[in-house]
Amino acid sequence: QMQLQESGPGLVKPSQTLSLTCTVSGGSMSSGGYYWTWIRQHPGKGLEWIGYIYYSGNTFYNPSFESRVTISVDTSKNQFSLKLNSVTAADTAVYYCALRVVKAMTTGYFYGMDVWGQGTTVTVSS
Amino acid sequence: DIQMTQSPSSLSASVGDRVTITCRASQSISNFLNWYQQRPGKAPKLLIYAASSLQSGVPSRFSGSGSGTDFSLTISSLQPEDFATYYCQQSYSTPLTFGGGTKVEIK
Repeated sequence: QMQLQESGPGLVKPSQTLSLTCTVSGGSMSSGGYYWTWIRQHPGKGLEWIGYIYYSGNTFYNPSFESRVTISVDTSKNQFSLKLNSVTAADTAVYYCALRVVKAMTTGYFYGMDVWGQGTTVTVSS
Repeated sequence: DIQMTQSPSSLSASVGDRVTITCRASQSISNFLNWYQQRPGKAPKLLIYAASSLQSGVPSRFSGSGSGTDFSLTISSLQPEDFATYYCQQSYSTPLTFGGGTKVEIK
């Protein structure tokens, strides 16, 4: 059973870099069809996709973040990471790592976020 | 970006009620539509993928339907553990986008 766990500072100063790590257990990060994903949720609000990375290193980012975000993967450590530069108070949120899995069906390939970490709260404040 | 609009934003219902939540996409997304449940303080949980396929381990009282731009999630008989917020999400194209959520509360 795949499990994900976020870790990183809970408080980041404005203009600095938010850095989070997601540790994966219970499975291989190098399996095809797995996209390692970051999503955030502002307090009391909806969900916002930040981006994901394939095990090969190919990345896909939300254009809303593209100039500030880097997602990387280290399969040897069973971890993937999020870096978000130049943070402001608007980046205060719960950050989730998740596993997007491809599902092969007779009608095509579909994707769902099958596994989620518990989430970690990041506050941007001086 | 594809905008996802859910309605209602909240509803009150009783245990045993049949509940339907709708989700509309700003353009056709075929059946690339997922539904998630989020209980307070918890991470979202995948319920339905490909608009109508039940994720493994999810109770059969949950069902999804729709294609193109209009979708729905139905809970056939609401249980106490179903009081939560529900989100739709399109997986047709990036950026992946979510609906604003529907909070299901106890009447």
